[in-house]
Amino acid sequence: QLVLTQSPSASASLGASVKLTCTLSSGHSSYAIAWHQQQPEKGPRYLMKLNSDGSHSKGDGIPDRFSGSSSGAERYLTISSLQSEDEADYYCQTWGTGIHVFGTGTKVTVL
Amino acid sequence: EVQLVESGGGLVKPGGSLRLSCAASGFTFSSYSMNWVRQAPGKGLEWVSSISSSSSYIYYADSVKGRFTISRDNAKNSLYLQMNSLRAEDTAVYYCARNRLQHNYFDYWGQGTLVTVSS
Repeated sequence: QLVLTQSPSASASLGASVKLTCTLSSGHSSYAIAWHQQQPEKGPRYLMKLNSDGSHSKGDGIPDRFSGSSSGAERYLTISSLQSEDEADYYCQTWGTGIHVFGTGTKVTVL
Repeated sequence: EVQLVESGGGLVKPGGSLRLSCAASGFTFSSYSMNWVRQAPGKGLEWVSSISSSSSYIYYADSVKGRFTISRDNAKNSLYLQMNSLRAEDTAVYYCARNRLQHNYFDYWGQGTLVTVSS
């Protein structure tokens, strides 16, 4: 079964970095994912697609502070130089034939 | 500029029906697969349904199969979700989302429309 696992929360100080993890279920370690940001009371926004080799393609206007990397079944989103507007929920997404799956989301708090 | 604007949400009684619409602009709608995703209050994102550019391929989450119907009108640049036999657990904000061209992830989202199922 295709499942994505995310930690419920993460926090870091203003100007620091935070690294979020999305883990693919067993047997799906080669899958690509996408990261999405959802700021409070807003619709989600696409950040990037992240491949198993760590290559990624960002959405329009996504700052360089957002980067992605991969290791085995884990997909990472690193936010550098944290800004107050980065306080949001972050979801990973993957897909199979006729199905899309979201992780449970990680709430990022900027201290 | 890509824009997706949902409408049609509201309050409906259990067992009732509702039709959501998503008006698309700023891109060639007929070339893209489209999706509906929902978010229950205080919860995460849940994929609901997908439709290919020409409506040849349609998929549903198990939670809505047999009750919801996705459709599109490429001449009107519009996506629809017909929701029947609504349940309290269908209460959510419903978003439409565009597939990246020739890919399977979502690259643009609407702002959502709230559906409340309650007596």
